[in-house]
Amino acid sequence: QSALTQPPSASGSPGQSVTISCTGTSSNVGAYNYVSWYQQQPGKAPKLMIYEVTKRPSGVPDRFSGSKSGNTASLTVSGLQAEDEADYYCSSYAGSNIFVFGPGTKVTVL
Amino acid sequence: QVQLQESGPGVVKPSETLSLTCSVFGYSISTGYYWGWIRQPPGKGLEWVGTIFHSGSTYYNPSLKSRVTISVDTSKNQLSLKVSSVTAADTAIYYCARVDIVGKADSWGQGTLVTVSS
Repeated sequence: QSALTQPPSASGSPGQSVTISCTGTSSNVGAYNYVSWYQQQPGKAPKLMIYEVTKRPSGVPDRFSGSKSGNTASLTVSGLQAEDEADYYCSSYAGSNIFVFGPGTKVTVL
Repeated sequence: QVQLQESGPGVVKPSETLSLTCSVFGYSISTGYYWGWIRQPPGKGLEWVGTIFHSGSTYYNPSLKSRVTISVDTSKNQLSLKVSSVTAADTAIYYCARVDIVGKADSWGQGTLVTVSS
């Protein structure tokens, strides 16, 4: 059982926006601005999409954005494209050099 | 550009020790950064296994701590993972990754599937 909670699935049509939530506690998501989001295509390794809640690594399209309110972080994909169909995982620092992942959300482009 | 590559046996017998190596290319481990192992049971989500600093300081998932050992060999630019007393629940794709102190994993290996089976 994951320390973080994510919806199992989300979907949207091309061009629309989809938002994925990641709910933790005051010991992880709520305590630190160290939430990361990863995209995993089938059969591939995860890819870092967002770090420190809102920052995007070089090369990640600005269609991907992150935010946080209280114990819940969110990833928004705007202008949804077919290539965005993947599993998305959140992770959070939980103190004492411990990290936790969410169970993942499967995003489907309709 | 840093690249990571995991290697090791694809099958391990129950109760034995799983041993994997991660070779790092394009970046010297001794320069800095943390290095981590993350695993993913088939069809399931990601689980952080543990992290090591180039100096050798280690941090483990509390649920695995009693069975996991992570080490670095800076002369070979490699890190290794050992999981003892394995069961079927340890069957997973094991990834190594370059991470920072707060868990940002910006470079990943391709992963290696380890199956626990007699």
